[in-house]
Amino acid sequence: QVQLQESGPGLVKPSETLSLTCTVSGGSISSYYWSWIRQPPGKGLEWIAYISYSGTTNYHPSLKSRVTISLDTSKNHFSLKLRSVTAADTAVYYCARHRGVLGGYFDYWGQGTLITVSS
Amino acid sequence: SYELTQPPSVSVSPGQTAKISCSGDNLGDKYACWYQQKPGQSPVLVIHQDSKRPSGIPERFSGSNSGNTATLTISGTQGMDEADYYCQAWDSSTVIFGGGTKLTVL
Repeated sequence: QVQLQESGPGLVKPSETLSLTCTVSGGSISSYYWSWIRQPPGKGLEWIAYISYSGTTNYHPSLKSRVTISLDTSKNHFSLKLRSVTAADTAVYYCARHRGVLGGYFDYWGQGTLITVSS
Repeated sequence: SYELTQPPSVSVSPGQTAKISCSGDNLGDKYACWYQQKPGQSPVLVIHQDSKRPSGIPERFSGSNSGNTATLTISGTQGMDEADYYCQAWDSSTVIFGGGTKLTVL
């Protein structure tokens, strides 16, 4: 059974960089596509970025200038960096697996990690 | 940019059929999928590729997609189906989520 586990700092100060890692167990990261998705408190889901097993990436247009997604196959994990955070970046951040693009769907999700941006 | 529009809320009586819509330009030309999210939990995929049910999802969940609208149908709705539901599609290699619909089972 594939499992995804997010890890992150919990609290980040405004203007700093948020770093998150998603560790994949029960399956190899060297297949499929991997995404980060966030959900502000009481609001809907917002996709942030994806990375493929071969390193192809794509980003949400509104976040593209501040986000970097990367993959480490040796550690079976992938990561997200979000720069210059503000209170608007406060959200539960999920990592998820999907099968490709243009029709791919998120079949496994992590439990989510709440990130609060505050001084 | 491409948008998916869902009604904020839908109410249904136990045992009745609930229908949740998701609208977008020519959505029928894309694949739509649906997620169920209960409070404090991660989303769970309930329908993919318009109408396919993942293993473990009850048969009362079904989906369709044509024209500008995808629809999630829950037949014989149960109290455990009360949740937020999100539709999702792809546009230009980016993921689009609908705003979500809160299903209340009265």
